[in-house]
Amino acid sequence: SQQGEEDPQALSIQEGENATMNCSYKTSINNLQWYRQNSGRGLVHLILIRSNEREKHSGRLRVTLDTSKKSSSLLITASRAADTASYFCATDNNNDMRFGAGTRLTVKP
Amino acid sequence: ETGVTQTPRHLVMGMTNKKSLKCEQHLGHNAMYWYKQSAKKPLELMFVYNFKEQTENNSVPSRFSPECPNSSHLFLHLHTLQPEDSALYLCASSQLGQRSNTGELFFGEGSRLTVL
Repeated sequence: SQQGEEDPQALSIQEGENATMNCSYKTSINNLQWYRQNSGRGLVHLILIRSNEREKHSGRLRVTLDTSKKSSSLLITASRAADTASYFCATDNNNDMRFGAGTRLTVKP
Repeated sequence: ETGVTQTPRHLVMGMTNKKSLKCEQHLGHNAMYWYKQSAKKPLELMFVYNFKEQTENNSVPSRFSPECPNSSHLFLHLHTLQPEDSALYLCASSQLGQRSNTGELFFGEGSRLTVL
């Protein structure tokens, strides 16, 4: 069954703008991960944040985690057309990895 | 190249056929997974193998039969499928850490299955 739920389902922005995607979940977690998927391809891991961490950065990516609200956000700064893809959050609860339905991000050149 | 290879990339089969999907990981990981991805739906976890032992079976119909002969190979045997089984089937591997942390999943490119 689904664990994470991403919001919004779809997001369209101009190149150079920032993109923010949110994820909410229901149970306790060991860690939360964000993945990216280009159309019809496999998922690629972007970043992992542990349950005892609140914020993490990787290049143009910034992830936050609020375990009290059971939510996470992924911020992509200075977006590029190549960032166009679907983005998924996944929660890890004792080796049980569950994904949401994803946010479809379109970055217009 | 993620180190996880899936074959075939595309498969079309009739409802009475028997076919298999293959997954191979070259990363030395100790866990492998099958996920099903249907249009506009969350990824569905189907099976998990931890050190070759099946640890998860999320109420998957018996027409899907997994096989994990060793820690590097994972198969999904398909038999008498239905059209609604058409989807992208994704294999992944990970290195399970201590304290039940899954860690990063490495995905293959997927096998696009169409059931006629």
